[in-house]
Amino acid sequence: GAGVSQSPSNKVTEKGKDVELRCDPISGHTALYWYRQSLGQGLEFLIYFQGNSAPDKSGLPSDRFSAERTGGSVSTLTIQRTQQEDSAVYLCASSLYFGTSFDTQYFGPGTRLTVL
Amino acid sequence: GQQVMQIPQYQHVQEGEDFTTYCNSSTTLSNIQWYKQRPGGHPVFLIQLVKSGEVKKQKRLTFQFGEAKKNSSLHITATQTTDVGTYFCAGGSQGNLIFGKGTKLSVKP
Repeated sequence: GAGVSQSPSNKVTEKGKDVELRCDPISGHTALYWYRQSLGQGLEFLIYFQGNSAPDKSGLPSDRFSAERTGGSVSTLTIQRTQQEDSAVYLCASSLYFGTSFDTQYFGPGTRLTVL
Repeated sequence: GQQVMQIPQYQHVQEGEDFTTYCNSSTTLSNIQWYKQRPGGHPVFLIQLVKSGEVKKQKRLTFQFGEAKKNSSLHITATQTTDVGTYFCAGGSQGNLIFGKGTKLSVKP
């Protein structure tokens, strides 16, 4: 596709349930990033992937959060036992290369997660 | 850890007034990128500055990178309602891009 896509666009879930958020980066982009944006707030960095590996997972808020990337393309962010404070927009971004700050990050439209 | 501070957090202006947002780092940055996020949208890349003292213009928007490469600014001349949104700076440090918390601009017609 022409840009980064994310699904679902909206997700409403009950507290305690698990959710999976999907990101399809731009074809050929080796770097993939996950951010969280709470209502009206800035971008909170969660995790990045270089290819299929995630060298630094320290940005994940808790051990309920995990992410994987397969085939150097699609990534899934999983939140287990969701809590109300997990409610936010989860943004995915990709860039051509990793390890350089000079690449533009292209953001997807985000997934709005609401935990009731 | 490395932080990029952005001020102000919010700015409300009357249409036609100027607007400036500032980005500061305690350490030297390799580059600065600026992004704009329209209400309900996602961040979109605006521009990148790399050289010390660099100034770039995009129509009514002027971007500056400080001489010490520790700060940057975005200035909008004669704001319009289409300028509404959140402006993020992102500083490059050790190969990583670190986003500021953004400045939310509202424009009153």
